[in-house]
Amino acid sequence: EAQVTQNPRYLITVTGKKLTVTCSQNMNHEYMSWYRQDPGLGLRQIYYSMNVEVTDKGDVPEGYKVSRKEKRNFPLILESPSPNQTSLYFCASSYGNEQFFGPGTRLTVL
Amino acid sequence: GQQVMQIPQYQHVQEGEDFTTYCNSSTTLSNIQWYKQRPGGHPVFLIQLVKSGEVKKQKRLTFQFGEAKKNSSLHITATQTTDVGTYFCAGDNYGQNFVFGPGTRLSVLP
Repeated sequence: EAQVTQNPRYLITVTGKKLTVTCSQNMNHEYMSWYRQDPGLGLRQIYYSMNVEVTDKGDVPEGYKVSRKEKRNFPLILESPSPNQTSLYFCASSYGNEQFFGPGTRLTVL
Repeated sequence: GQQVMQIPQYQHVQEGEDFTTYCNSSTTLSNIQWYKQRPGGHPVFLIQLVKSGEVKKQKRLTFQFGEAKKNSSLHITATQTTDVGTYFCAGDNYGQNFVFGPGTRLSVLP
């Protein structure tokens, strides 16, 4: 089944404790992206990648890192999480412009 | 930077009534996409519009892209309870950085 998977689905952590949210797709898509969703703000793009070893900042990249060492995986790294990064995170991949979203990761930073 | 606005923020309709959401971009777009997110779910791609003045239909849904490629609308005829969710537009201004609108949350009363 073609899908985008994210792990973990839920995470509660404390300020400053490094964490990684994994994202994997099995559709051989070149384009992958991370979004955060906050009430009233819709989805805001954090980082995107047009192919392996190619990443670019989206609209809200501060406090996040990404890597794209292989086509299927696009992890999101929070080196020192802060409470304002509490949010719902979605990973997406696409071929052409139709984006396929993962199920989401709900992150709470205390 | 590019901004995408949507109105209304919320819409409550009686089942069978029509519904329209409007999307406006601060810059000219190369294309616009529409997504639907059910409560507790992830965004799901509905359609992409590329040409100036383009109109596309999917059963009871009609999508329009403005002549200036800065605005778009989604119209649902005779809403059903299965239409409940949040509808997002997303614009791409000739790059790969997608900007989503804040969404319109639709409630359908049976």
